[in-house]
Amino acid sequence: LAKTTQPISMDSYEGQEVNITCSHNNIATNDYITWYQQFPSQGPRFIIQGYKTKVTNEVASLFIPADRKSSTLSLPRVSLSDTAVYYCLVGDVDTGGFKTIFGAGTRLFVKA
Amino acid sequence: DAMVIQNPRYQVTQFGKPVTLSCSQTLNHNVMYWYQQKSSQAPKLLFHYYDKDFNNEADTPDNFQSRRPNTSFCFLDIRSPGLGDAAMYLCATSRGGDRRVQPQHFGDGTRLSIL
Repeated sequence: LAKTTQPISMDSYEGQEVNITCSHNNIATNDYITWYQQFPSQGPRFIIQGYKTKVTNEVASLFIPADRKSSTLSLPRVSLSDTAVYYCLVGDVDTGGFKTIFGAGTRLFVKA
Repeated sequence: DAMVIQNPRYQVTQFGKPVTLSCSQTLNHNVMYWYQQKSSQAPKLLFHYYDKDFNNEADTPDNFQSRRPNTSFCFLDIRSPGLGDAAMYLCATSRGGDRRVQPQHFGDGTRLSIL
């Protein structure tokens, strides 16, 4: 499984756009990139998943460059309730099975 | 409505006294996972079931066992809890049968304390 590297923490203010970048230099051809959000005392919650280019849903956007060695989670107009830990995961069922490795994650602090 | 339910939310046990944590799901997912998450750390996969097939992670201590009697339920048994086993235990599920990594649905965890 490809190792992922993210910033340990980030600060932002309400209403700003936040971009969290994840590095995965050893990503394999079939690997998908998945992001989760975790609030204190709760389980992680799926945010978005992608393979290449750009994916957007009602919560976030995921930008993946052509070489796929990194990805950027974009949260538009954050609010205080977006303060959480964000995890980037890389994997593929065929090669990695259901083994799941969470990296250290990025702690996002949103200030008023 | 909660789709992955973990009971209890908080569990206190004594050093060395066996304890069982439970997880149930209403999603009818093939795969069920157990994670351990210690304070300020990322979740760490202990094992998972694909249907009835059990898959243990290489570094999961023998002290940790699991049972999945049917699709909906999965249990985590800690045979002789030590102080180092105090943590949040998370259960998750995902669909199987697809080569793409499917999103995992997590419960809100059971926080285990050891006296």
